Parts: sequence; C-alpha cells; structure tokens
Amino acid sequence: AQKITQTQPGMFVQEKEAVTLDCTYDTSDQSYGLFWYKQPSSGEMIFLIYQGSYDEQNATEGRYSLNFQKARKSANLVISASQLGDSAMYFCAMREGRQAGTALIFGKGTTLSVSS
Amino acid sequence: GAVVSQHPSRVICKSGTSVKIECRSLDFQATTMFWYRQFPKQSLMLMATSNEGSKATYEQGVEKDKFLINHASLTLSTLTVTSAHPEDSSFYICSAYSGAPYNEQFFGPGTRLTVL
Repeated sequence: AQKITQTQPGMFVQEKEAVTLDCTYDTSDQSYGLFWYKQPSSGEMIFLIYQGSYDEQNATEGRYSLNFQKARKSANLVISASQLGDSAMYFCAMREGRQAGTALIFGKGTTLSVSS
Repeated sequence: GAVVSQHPSRVICKSGTSVKIECRSLDFQATTMFWYRQFPKQSLMLMATSNEGSKATYEQGVEKDKFLINHASLTLSTLTVTSAHPEDSSFYICSAYSGAPYNEQFFGPGTRLTVL
C-alpha cells in the first residue's frame, strides 16, 4: 500500500483563487510529520509547510495552510490567492517516527497550473 | 536556513563511464544524508541513507555496486554512478539532516544526469 497518496495528477486554477491539493497518508506510527514541498521546473525542492502528528492546530505559513484531519489521515494543502509563480509540481511527504533524521516518503505529486 | 549544494548541477556522459555527484552541507554538519532519484514527472524515490563514517544503507532494488555512496566527512557525501547506462539518466537529489538548532532536513538543488 502506498504511504502517501496524491490523487490529483494535475490541477488548474485562476489567479487570485484558492486551491486545495489533496494528500492522504498511511502509517501505524503515532508520531510522524507531514510536509509539503514545491518543485518548480528548475527541480529544486522548496519547503512550504510542516505539520506534526501531535500538533493540534493546523499549520499555516503565509498563503499556505495545511488542513490536517488526523482521523481521516489527510493533510491537504490550501493555497490562498494563487499567483502565476505558484505553477509547479507539489509533493506531499511524510516522515515516520520521532527521529527528525529519517528519510521522507513522497507522494506522486500534483502539477498545479495557475492562469491569468 | 541551512544550505546544501550539489555539484555538478548537470552532467552528460557516455554510456559506460562513471559519474560522481557531490552533496555538501555548507553551513552545518550533517550526520545523515539521503540520496533520492526522480524520473521526469515522477516522485522522489529514496535510494540510500548515508551516515558519516559508516556504510550507506540502500533501499531495496538499488544496486550497491552501481551506486557507490561515500560519506567521508560531516559536510560531504558523494554518489558515484558506475558504468552508467541511458536508463540511469535521471534527476538525483540529496538531502542533509541537520541536528540542532534546525533539527531538520534540507535539500540540495539536484543534479540532472544524462547518459548518452
């Protein structure tokens, strides 16, 4: 079974609109971390937001927020007021266990296209 | 935040030759580094985990003799693709784990390998 599932291969949104990118995860660990990364065409991985499994509040970072629903094992990324520069591939990732020095497991990604 | 560099950023080589990719943590010591491979429009797949001063741990299906990893110092890990073939053409990304104060992983900008 996949650990991280991103069901949307591609998403299209107009400038200034909000968009939600879906992510569900599967783990039996009680302690884990969830991440979202943006990968533009240059290939670099840009960290966007992090949610710890014990965090009670949804994480927010500027225009990015993470809709964390633990019981449903979902960690959707919400981008408010989309900009043309948001066009990129977006990856949801998970780190299992308490140790920060554990490798990340990535989903297949969602390509976001923002139009004017 | 902490900075991780990769060199070269892009390399083209002939089939049968070996290619070395360097991953450096520039302003922190990385006890653990990770190597990922990404095929076009696909996810990042973990190849191996490298700990300073010890042998790398490879993921299932990754050939140890083909992808040689050396983590000789706390700031440098190298990935050598030996006897490269066209199917090894891919985007290789490293990440480095920083202990305190960041206690987080940071990605390098990636290396695009093309084998002719």
